[in-house]
Amino acid sequence: EPEVTQTPSHQVTQMGQEVILRCVPISNHLYFYWYRQILGQKVEFLVSFYNNEISEKSEIFDDQFSVERPDGSNFTLKIRSTKLEDSAMYFCASKSNQETQYFGPGTRLLVL
Amino acid sequence: GENVEQHPSTLSVQEGDSAVIKCTYSDSASNYFPWYKQELGKRPQLIIDIRSNVGEKKDQRIAVTLNKTAKHFSLHITETQPEDSAVYFCAAHYGGATNKLIFGTGTLLAVQP
Repeated sequence: EPEVTQTPSHQVTQMGQEVILRCVPISNHLYFYWYRQILGQKVEFLVSFYNNEISEKSEIFDDQFSVERPDGSNFTLKIRSTKLEDSAMYFCASKSNQETQYFGPGTRLLVL
Repeated sequence: GENVEQHPSTLSVQEGDSAVIKCTYSDSASNYFPWYKQELGKRPQLIIDIRSNVGEKKDQRIAVTLNKTAKHFSLHITETQPEDSAVYFCAAHYGGATNKLIFGTGTLLAVQP
């Protein structure tokens, strides 16, 4: 059964550095999402992406964040200048025209 | 605003007992309500979902009920087993075509053998 994949599984970075989190959504899916989960807290919506553009973003998704679908398979989240409070698990999700969203295994980001 | 409340935050039951987790949502336009199970350090996995045109859905030991008038939906797990132990999140679909999910705060279910 196809799954969403994410790399890296873990990322440690220094405050102020740029990070790029990568996702490969399920191949026939059309809608792509990034969520984050701070340790011990709920999953929070960051951004949705459809038809090669952002369709909605949350208050968390400020100017330091950007997303891109550079080719037909990858979907990336870039954090331009990381802050301590960006430390979290970042989940990519994708879906077809149906409602069900399928989540990737996540990237655990630690900002020191 | 967009909000999903979930209760209880922790739930401990004996193996074989039933567990019930309840959620309420704020936007009456929401029409899709999935439940995800998350084991420690793992991705959220969809276990059951319900659409607003249905009041109840069952899949083996798991059932979900929806009360659209009250904006409540609940997860019921019967004959609980130790492997049911995990964090369970309810979610509501907001945002029209965007289909973003707003999650509840999670319930840590512990099934004692």
